[in-house]
Amino acid sequence: GQNIDQPTEMTATEGAIVQINCTYQTSGFNGLFWYQQHAGEAPTFLSYNVLDGLEEKGRFSSFLSRSKGYSYLLLKELQMKDSASYLCAVLDSNYQLIWGAGTKLIIKP
Amino acid sequence: NAGVTQTPKFQVLKTGQSMTLQCAQDMNHEYMSWYRQDPGMGLRLIHYSVGAGITDQGEVPNGYNVSRLKKQNFLLGLESAAPSQTSVYFCASSYRPESTDTQYFGPGTRLTVL
Repeated sequence: GQNIDQPTEMTATEGAIVQINCTYQTSGFNGLFWYQQHAGEAPTFLSYNVLDGLEEKGRFSSFLSRSKGYSYLLLKELQMKDSASYLCAVLDSNYQLIWGAGTKLIIKP
Repeated sequence: NAGVTQTPKFQVLKTGQSMTLQCAQDMNHEYMSWYRQDPGMGLRLIHYSVGAGITDQGEVPNGYNVSRLKKQNFLLGLESAAPSQTSVYFCASSYRPESTDTQYFGPGTRLTVL
């Protein structure tokens, strides 16, 4: 079966750095997405990785290792508004998105 | 541009009732999809469409039907609602499913089936 694993919840301090991990086992791989979802709202796109390595976009970076079936989202200089759920999703061989359950990130002052 | 819109935002049904969730996008996207989101679970694909008049089943299609007569609209129908269909439903669209372009999500419909 296809499976994506993320921690259920993480807590971090304002101004700090946090790394949210995602491991996957899917039938084929055509890319990995990270989405942010604030409580009661729709998911919004953060990043897309299809090649190994690190993609940096402002305070957010996303890393991919296809051989290890592993990705992480790195958030720097945390702000209170970063409190949200972070969803990892993999595009499988049929170009269907397989979603993880999401990681709820709690930022404390 | 309004992006992706969904109606209604909230709905309460009794078991056995039917209803249609509406989704519209004004971005000229070919691909549209319906997801449900339940606590502790990832988004699960119900049905999707790669163009007007073309629909297909996703991971959890049972109990739902869809219709896409026009490119901009994608309707999700519940023929006979069951408590197991209590969930938050999201509509999403993108230019092409194979594309690295982002999926744009509607604000969601919160459905409770009693």
